Amino acid sequence: AQSVTQLGSHVSVSEGALVLLRCNYSSSVPPYLFWYVQYPNQGLQLLLKYTTGATLVKGINGFEAEFKKSETSFHLTKPSAHMSDAAEYFCAVSERSNYQLIWGAGTKLIIKP
Amino acid sequence: DGGITQSPKYLFRKEGQNVTLSCEQNLNHDAMYWYRQDPGQGLRLIYYSQIVNDFQKGDIAEGYSVSREKKESFPLTVTSAQKNPTAFYLCASSIGLADTQYFGPGTRLTVL
Repeated sequence: AQSVTQLGSHVSVSEGALVLLRCNYSSSVPPYLFWYVQYPNQGLQLLLKYTTGATLVKGINGFEAEFKKSETSFHLTKPSAHMSDAAEYFCAVSERSNYQLIWGAGTKLIIKP
Repeated sequence: DGGITQSPKYLFRKEGQNVTLSCEQNLNHDAMYWYRQDPGQGLRLIYYSQIVNDFQKGDIAEGYSVSREKKESFPLTVTSAQKNPTAFYLCASSIGLADTQYFGPGTRLTVL
């Protein structure tokens, strides 16, 4: 069965520093890949997604992610963290034949002043 | 403004009572979903509906029921059979099952 692993339940970075949130999946066939962000007590908002084509995907709020098939990874990055980036981030994947989303456990991003 | 609304935002119920959570969308989406979120865990799918008058169980459907009588509405009932109902419940919708899901603001249910 497909699984999604997000390394680190909490990640802390200083304001202005690089943000790197890791996501690995288990499928041998490239799935569809998503990153969502959740602010406290709110629903989830789509940051970006990969379906086909260019492996570097740009999203909202300056985030981007790169699909690396050989590493079965879809890590999320942002060059310079802002205080408003503090939130929980979820990686999700779906098979191309079964569209049900499989979710990672989430990573809380903490921004230090 | 198109979007997904969930009401109420906070809900308190006594143990043993059934409770219904509302989800409405005006995005003209065919597919709708209910997820449960617990601290430190990803989202888990309760039920989903691909089209009006049709719905399928997700991974954790036991103790829950849904209906889909209108395209815009997908209410979730948490029954007394659900052993641990306290959680954050999220509703989502998409054009179709293969399309991006968009989420409502969620309902936090606390069973006392």
